[in-house]
Amino acid sequence: GAGVSQSPSNKVTEKGKDVELRCDPISGHTALYWYRQSLGQGLEFLIYFQGNSAPDKSGLPSDRFSAERTGGSVSTLTIQRTQQEDSAVYLCASSLVGTSGSDTQYFGPGTRLTVL
Amino acid sequence: SQKIEQNSEALNIQEGKTATLTCNYTNYSPAYLQWYRQDPGRGPVFLLLIRENEKEKRKERLKVTFDTTLKQSLFHITASQPADSATYLCALARGYQKVTFGIGTKLQVIP
Repeated sequence: GAGVSQSPSNKVTEKGKDVELRCDPISGHTALYWYRQSLGQGLEFLIYFQGNSAPDKSGLPSDRFSAERTGGSVSTLTIQRTQQEDSAVYLCASSLVGTSGSDTQYFGPGTRLTVL
Repeated sequence: SQKIEQNSEALNIQEGKTATLTCNYTNYSPAYLQWYRQDPGRGPVFLLLIRENEKEKRKERLKVTFDTTLKQSLFHITASQPADSATYLCALARGYQKVTFGIGTKLQVIP
């Protein structure tokens, strides 16, 4: 079946521009996560959506970052006024329930963002 | 907050040998511990989950142990193959809580 998809796969932008990254989770998954992974680094949690609950935004590094999830499905991560330190791979994952640590996360292929 | 330690240095082993990767954590013991595999340019892929009341879990050539006293999980790949070369991430969670990932250990299996 279809897995988690992300678009674009690569994005090159100039410093100061805004970017939008899209994530299509697996159908029926109620939980959706965004992570950031810099070269040679681990996964940095950004934001977590679970059903109709208020999102957990505790990982967002600054107010330039925001995300929304429309209709409990597709999610968009927006980075305003991009900076060079925002360059990284942005990974999206979804899971069936999200309210249990036993829930398996299914990851998308990621969007590689390069800020010049 | 939970801190996860994985050996950030690459692990090189000979094909056919058993690879053992370590995941140590501080603070509270998680209810669940998961292991993922990540290939270059790809997202992580789930491999195994072990619960705090389980000592060991196996899946084909993979074995995971969970020692809540030592606050450690070991991930073993027996009869390793070059195709096992990847970065392996451990992830912890306790109940209703977002999962925390370690930095991962890069495994290189040499033919």
